[in-house]
Amino acid sequence: ETGVTQTPRHLVMGMTNKKSLKCEQHLGHNAMYWYKQSAKKPLELMFVYNFKEQTENNSVPSRFSPECPNSSHLFLHLHTLQPEDSALYLCASSQAIGEPKGYTFGSGTRLTVV
Amino acid sequence: GQNIDQPTEMTATEGAIVQINCTYQTSGFNGLFWYQQHAGEAPTFLSYNVLDGLEEKGRFSSFLSRSKGYSYLLLKELQMKDSASYLCAVLDSNYQLIWGAGTKLIIKP
Repeated sequence: ETGVTQTPRHLVMGMTNKKSLKCEQHLGHNAMYWYKQSAKKPLELMFVYNFKEQTENNSVPSRFSPECPNSSHLFLHLHTLQPEDSALYLCASSQAIGEPKGYTFGSGTRLTVV
Repeated sequence: GQNIDQPTEMTATEGAIVQINCTYQTSGFNGLFWYQQHAGEAPTFLSYNVLDGLEEKGRFSSFLSRSKGYSYLLLKELQMKDSASYLCAVLDSNYQLIWGAGTKLIIKP
């Protein structure tokens, strides 16, 4: 356990389904992130929340919708996904944006869209 | 554009030394990170360099040359458990992390 917990670990969903990914941290961190990790590609930053306020949305399609109800929880709501959205979705947190101590990552949700 | 380059895959022998290189072109520089990621697990923080030079932490060392846009991660006395992907990332002028695609390190007995 890294201190950042993601559920579920694995998810298979059809293109017409709606599902949500959950991330939870009790490290007292103020910044939380969603990343997409595809094989042999760099981590892609999707969303950033700082003190519960969204500060980054890197041109992510609207079929991905983040929610940050408090500084400990982060959700990624999914609907009408495409097969190319299949990837590992990682949540991370840090004390502050650009924290030199680094980010703490969860183990990710392996998403397969069929 | 911003770019981080690192080798896709490397192979080394148990007990040996391996150096994983990372070169970067970014808009600004506020530090360079190395992370380790075992298959199916979370990336974990290894090191942070913001000044030129070598930082040593046990069997792992990380080097930075800002003028050359270059860093390396040095792993000594390799163990089988060091088989993993090693990710290089740079914090740009907007404090956004720019990531390399990672280097998969295979350790052979």
